[in-house]
Amino acid sequence: NAGVMQNPRHLVRRRGQEARLRCSPMKGHSHVYWYRQLPEEGLKFMVYLQKENIIDESGMPKERFSAEFPKEGPSILRIQQVVRGDSAAYFCASSPETAAVYEQYFGPGTRLTVT
Amino acid sequence: KQEVTQIPAALSVPEGENLVLNCSFTDSAIYNLQWFRQDPGKGLTSLLLIQSSQREQTSGRLNASLDKSSGRSTLYIAASQPGDSATYLCAAPNGNKLVFGAGTILRVKS
Repeated sequence: NAGVMQNPRHLVRRRGQEARLRCSPMKGHSHVYWYRQLPEEGLKFMVYLQKENIIDESGMPKERFSAEFPKEGPSILRIQQVVRGDSAAYFCASSPETAAVYEQYFGPGTRLTVT
Repeated sequence: KQEVTQIPAALSVPEGENLVLNCSFTDSAIYNLQWFRQDPGKGLTSLLLIQSSQREQTSGRLNASLDKSSGRSTLYIAASQPGDSATYLCAAPNGNKLVFGAGTILRVKS
């Protein structure tokens, strides 16, 4: 059973470009979470999705950030018009059901560098 | 609102020592608590998950305890090895999301 997969592992974008980060949950998992780890800081929750639904986006910046988890395919975290402050490691996690009870399994992360 | 604090922020010990990492959380109405390991530039590896009905969980040289009433969890590492050097994170649920502590950076010297 493959773990949570994220790609790309490293992404370099110039200021103003768009960044698309992909996350494939573990087989059988229908819940996906995105977290961001800024340099020298802990992980912060961004968004929680189920298939075709955003359940909780309380941690998402109000502008330029969006997330989706379509019926088919991976979850996508999209950052439009990136700025240097978006440089961070973005981690995706999945769980079989609500994480209130079950473990969240984390992917290896995508390290975004904005130049 | 859940807040998670970890102490110490950093710890350096000689190989072979037993050590304890501490985690405290403000909202004791949790279903579980999870400990992770993060190596530099890498992702998170789940070490132990303690359900609220449990008081401790063991995996090899690692033992994690949970005391909901006091809002504390500890991770005990026995006979530490240089390969244990990493950042250790604890995370408590807040609704459906995890709230992480800032981590303890552990260095085990050979």
